[in-house]
Amino acid sequence: AQSVTQPDIHITVSEGASLELRCNYSYGATPYLFWYVQSPGQGLQLLLKYFSGDTLVQGIKGFEAEFKRSQSSFNLRKPSVHWSDAAEYFCAVGSNDYKLSFGAGTTVTVRA
Amino acid sequence: EAGVVQSPRYKIIEKKQPVAFWCNPISGHNTLYWYLQNLGQGPELLIRYENEEAVDDSQLPKDRFSAERLKGVDSTLKIQPAELGDSAVYLCASSLGWVTTTGDYNEQFFGPGTRLTVL
Repeated sequence: AQSVTQPDIHITVSEGASLELRCNYSYGATPYLFWYVQSPGQGLQLLLKYFSGDTLVQGIKGFEAEFKRSQSSFNLRKPSVHWSDAAEYFCAVGSNDYKLSFGAGTTVTVRA
Repeated sequence: EAGVVQSPRYKIIEKKQPVAFWCNPISGHNTLYWYLQNLGQGPELLIRYENEEAVDDSQLPKDRFSAERLKGVDSTLKIQPAELGDSAVYLCASSLGWVTTTGDYNEQFFGPGTRLTVL
């Protein structure tokens, strides 16, 4: 069975600074990988996904993620954070039976 | 285009009472999912529907939870009786099928959820 670990429960970053959220997955085959964002009172929104091909994936809102098979990682990055990026971020892995397994999430706080 | 609609947004009940959550997916989305999100955790799939058929309900605690999607559109998730441990957010999501014709995942669109508090 697949699983996802997000090592950082909470990250605080200054507005304009860069952001990196870590995600490690466990899955025996080539994974389907996703990053979702959940703002307070909102549903989860897909930021980006990786299925195959280029290991650097561009998403919405200026986010990107890099798949590193050797490290079983799929870290999310943004070069310059805006106050509106304060939210909870979830990494997820999908298996060949198309079930999604989510990590526990990382809460991002943006300080002025 | 309207997103996934869920109601109520918040519900507070006493333990042992029944409760029901309603979800209306995005128009045309034949796949519907119910997820449970405990505090500080990511969502966990409870049940997945393809049209009106529950194709994966392996994670649904069937002793107290039930779900239906009678006409293959909107869906109801019920808990009877509710227990203290059921306090959580119940998320509904929908997609245009489970996979694309090339075998990729179809994006799931999530509703805002129903936050249940059992006292």
